[in-house]
Amino acid sequence: ETGVTQTPRHLVMGMTNKKSLKCEQHLGHNAMYWYKQSAKKPLELMFVYSLEERVENNSVPSRFSPECPNSSHLFLHLHTLQPEDSALYLCASSQDPRLAGGTDTQYFGPGTRLTVL
Amino acid sequence: AQTVTQSQPEMSVQEAETVTLSCTYDTSESDYYLFWYKQPPSRQMILVIRQEAYKQQNATENRFSVNFQKAAKSFSLKISDSQLGDAAMYFCAYRSAETSYDKVIFGPGTSLSVIP
Repeated sequence: ETGVTQTPRHLVMGMTNKKSLKCEQHLGHNAMYWYKQSAKKPLELMFVYSLEERVENNSVPSRFSPECPNSSHLFLHLHTLQPEDSALYLCASSQDPRLAGGTDTQYFGPGTRLTVL
Repeated sequence: AQTVTQSQPEMSVQEAETVTLSCTYDTSESDYYLFWYKQPPSRQMILVIRQEAYKQQNATENRFSVNFQKAAKSFSLKISDSQLGDAAMYFCAYRSAETSYDKVIFGPGTSLSVIP
């Protein structure tokens, strides 16, 4: 596979469930991102990992917990979510612009459509 | 903090015609990058075009070009010879050149319809 993949593509969960979203990039990048895309709202950056270290956390509620075990994989662990957390969750990757050969172009996955009942 | 505004939630264009999508941004920085991303229905978001603020020349990419007005903080996207495949959400985005990582701020998007 090429590019950025995300699984599952669709997820329905109750407020008491625990689930995880997975993102994998096949581009050799070393920075990965989680965004939340809600209807009628701009994309919200949730987490940034660069060189496997978390460098940004935009005051996201603790019911969202990211994990980046290596530069190719990124997870978003979900627990006790609220209905307002229903959204499209996008993963992206890029080559850290601080490093040689890095650019600021982000490559996005297809997203996971999350519905919280 | 930087903000990005797209004042047109929806636009439509006749196939083969030209359409311009508007974007304005607010920043106190002098060095930054601007982007247009395209998100077709149920498909992945992809980069359309990128502009470096220190370059006065407007970026072009085939049928896509921008009108970058730095003083006015305006960054519009012109799509020439519109095709059915151009129908998508278009997001304008800003990235500071001063941050140490790739934090991109997106506008709310413009939904473009192409009429056959």
